[in-house]
Amino acid sequence: SQQGEEDPQALSIQEGENATMNCSYKTSINNLQWYRQNSGRGLVHLILIRSNEREKHSGRLRVTLDTSKKSSSLLITASRAADTASYFCATPHRYQLTFGKGTKLSVIP
Amino acid sequence: GAGVSQSPRYKVAKRGQDVALRCDPISGHVSLFWYQQALGQGPEFLTYFQNEAQLDKSGLPSDRFFAERPEGSVSTLKIQRTQQEDSAVYLCASSPYRVGTYEQYFGPGTRLTVT
Repeated sequence: SQQGEEDPQALSIQEGENATMNCSYKTSINNLQWYRQNSGRGLVHLILIRSNEREKHSGRLRVTLDTSKKSSSLLITASRAADTASYFCATPHRYQLTFGKGTKLSVIP
Repeated sequence: GAGVSQSPRYKVAKRGQDVALRCDPISGHVSLFWYQQALGQGPEFLTYFQNEAQLDKSGLPSDRFFAERPEGSVSTLKIQRTQQEDSAVYLCASSPYRVGTYEQYFGPGTRLTVT
């Protein structure tokens, strides 16, 4: 079963615009991770935010976490065509990561 | 360094055939995971190895699915008597940590099509 749910399911923006996608989850977590998947590079880890952190930055990525609402957001600033991919949030439980269904981002040059 | 590799990248099997999917994790990584990803969905956990020990196989969908990692490095996922619903991408991931809590490094996947 999938614990996380990303929103929106699909997002299309112009190059240079910002992209925001959201993730909701159901149970308490140790951390929350975001991954990107495209046909060229497979599934790649982007960023991890711990449950005691509220915001984290990495390059053009900004992640927020609200444990009271069981939600997280991923902001990609100044998007590029190369950002076109599916983005998944994932939460760890014992030995596994539980992924959402993903947000499909299209960045139009 | 080299990442996680999987072979074959594509596999077409006739219904009822057995298939074997191989995963070469990053050298020295203790943990190895298998996931199944259906079209348009996120990956779903199948099984977990810590070195050669299979500590969690709760995600294997039926007893037709079997995984092994006999020497604590290369792993094989075997599916017996394949069915159409087995069609999916099978992802392998490895991690230097002894739990699944932190980032995992994924291979490119094997796309299995059962006809």
